[in-house]
Amino acid sequence: DVKVTQSSRYLVKRTGEKVFLECVQDMDHENMFWYRQDPGLGLRLIYFSYDVKMKEKGDIPEGYSVSREKKERFSLILESASTNQTSMYLCASSLDPGTGITFGSGTRLTVV
Amino acid sequence: AQKITQTQPGMFVQEKEAVTLDCTYDTSDPSYGLFWYKQPSSGEMIFLIYQGSYDQQNATEGRYSLNFQKARKSANLVISASQLGDSAMYFCAMRTQTGNQFYFGTGTSLTVIP
Repeated sequence: DVKVTQSSRYLVKRTGEKVFLECVQDMDHENMFWYRQDPGLGLRLIYFSYDVKMKEKGDIPEGYSVSREKKERFSLILESASTNQTSMYLCASSLDPGTGITFGSGTRLTVV
Repeated sequence: AQKITQTQPGMFVQEKEAVTLDCTYDTSDPSYGLFWYKQPSSGEMIFLIYQGSYDQQNATEGRYSLNFQKARKSANLVISASQLGDSAMYFCAMRTQTGNQFYFGTGTSLTVIP
């Protein structure tokens, strides 16, 4: 089975800190995604990547950046964390448009 | 623009009864895939069922079936013989041929009553 691993289950950071959320998948998937999930808003796409060093903005990229230096690793960076970035962050990967998307277990980030 | 709409924020169902969770979608792509995911309180997203836009028959996976009505652009999830463990958030999602994005609805919270 594909495994998508997010490095932290819970994180608490201070306003203004630079925050790194790490995600690793072990099945050689081309596509990787970062979503944030908020009650009543569902999952909103922040960034996705379809190849190493390639990235595209999703619906809510403001305040975030990403890095994909290796195929298996996709990092989400909060340049200067703010309280409105308190949320559940979900990383996911998929092989091609015809297959489903596999999620990691999520990182619940609290910015204080 | 692609869009997924789930109009039921919360649903209740009696144990052992069937329940239908609604999903409508909007896309101009001729080729797309529709997915349903379950998210229990533990937070993980669990894939349930997939329907391709060219599939002639409705998808089924155990107690889950997808009522696909292409002309109406709807992809409702039907859960038969509900169990207490079915209590969770359920998300409808769509992936289109153009682009590699998955679009998600806002989810439906299902509570199964003993």
